[in-house]
Amino acid sequence: QVQLQESGPGLVKPSETLSLTCTVSNGSISNYYWSWIRQPAGKGLEWIGRVYITGSTNYNPSLTSRVTMSVNTSKNQFSLKLSSVTAADTAVYYCAREGGTYQDYWGQGSLVTVSS
Amino acid sequence: DIQMTQSPSSLSASIGDRVTITCQASQDISNYLNWYQHTPGKAPKLLIYDASNLKVGVPSRFTGSGSGTDFTFTITSLQPEDIATYYCQQYDNLPLTFGGGTKVEIK
Repeated sequence: QVQLQESGPGLVKPSETLSLTCTVSNGSISNYYWSWIRQPAGKGLEWIGRVYITGSTNYNPSLTSRVTMSVNTSKNQFSLKLSSVTAADTAVYYCAREGGTYQDYWGQGSLVTVSS
Repeated sequence: DIQMTQSPSSLSASIGDRVTITCQASQDISNYLNWYQHTPGKAPKLLIYDASNLKVGVPSRFTGSGSGTDFTFTITSLQPEDIATYYCQQYDNLPLTFGGGTKVEIK
């Protein structure tokens, strides 16, 4: 079945850019929306946004000024960049596939800590 | 943004008990409501989509109902492996939003 795996630095300094990549295996990246969702420690899930294979994106208005998502179909990967990070951006970041009106496959999550 | 109010925030029940979680949307979302199970350290898992449709492979003790603004998620007979946090999510409008979660524990 489809598997997703997040990768990227686990520690980012304040004011710098958080960068994560999600690699999709056992399935094609085509014809789906691909999402990023995060969960700060002790808090609930927050949808960051999504990217389609055409490069079309939708972002959460609360983060839109700092978020960039992209897709690399040749590598079956999609990526998240979050700029000007603060401690409030410390969270477990999940990538997920939107299989319809839902996220049907998720990665295991990648903890990103913002600290100097 | 559509606010999703989930209750209770936590519950404790015995094996075999019926467990019910509710989720209320701040506006009509038709049936665009999903339920996820999340165990620490694991990927969240889709259980119910479009309010009442069971994802293939998910045990039938998990059920969902509702439409409009009020939704219910039920575990008909709680099993040890059901210990997790459960989240509702609306898919009617962007940004997608989640309920605050319900942590289910064994009594």
